[in-house]
Amino acid sequence: SQQGEEDPQALSIQEGENATMNCSYKTSINNLQWYRQNSGRGLVHLILIRSNEREKHSGRLRVTLDTSKKSSSLLITASRAADTASYFCATDSYSGAGSYQLTFGKGTKLSVIP
Amino acid sequence: EAQVTQNPRYLITVTGKKLTVTCSQNMNHEYMSWYRQDPGLGLRQIYYSMNVEVTDKGDVPEGYKVSRKEKRNFPLILESPSPNQTSLYFCASSLGWRQPQHFGDGTRLSIL
Repeated sequence: SQQGEEDPQALSIQEGENATMNCSYKTSINNLQWYRQNSGRGLVHLILIRSNEREKHSGRLRVTLDTSKKSSSLLITASRAADTASYFCATDSYSGAGSYQLTFGKGTKLSVIP
Repeated sequence: EAQVTQNPRYLITVTGKKLTVTCSQNMNHEYMSWYRQDPGLGLRQIYYSMNVEVTDKGDVPEGYKVSRKEKRNFPLILESPSPNQTSLYFCASSLGWRQPQHFGDGTRLSIL
């Protein structure tokens, strides 16, 4: 089942601008993760934010988490052409009955124009 | 170098011909999983394994089998492939199911 949903589906910006992507989810989580995928390649982990954290930074990345709204955002500051990729959020959900799944959204495709 | 290795990277085959996609990790990770990625549908989990000899179904397990006889290996088996299994497949591993996943480079399967 699709737990996380990213918004927008696609985003096109100029180099140097900031890019913001959002993720909404449905059930309670322990962690929310963001991943990046260059075209056709494997996903690369970017950042993990715990449910008791509200904001986390890593280099030019800033992630926020609002558990009351069941949403997260990923901000990439001062974007570069090399940031062109698809970005996915992933949430953990224990559905009971011994099911341990990390569920990915459909992704936001970011294009950074030089 | 820490990595997840999938083989083959590309495969074109015909309906009904059994195939196996291998996955191996060198990080001593307990959790391993298989995903398929299709346009417009994102990543969907096929099977996962919490540890050796422990496997469980994900969201789309039909038509697939897995085994986890050793910690490092987690092969994906298509006993009788069909065209609807044409997809991009990823293997991933992590210390635990809630931890950051390390992904392989993917296997692109085309089943005619």
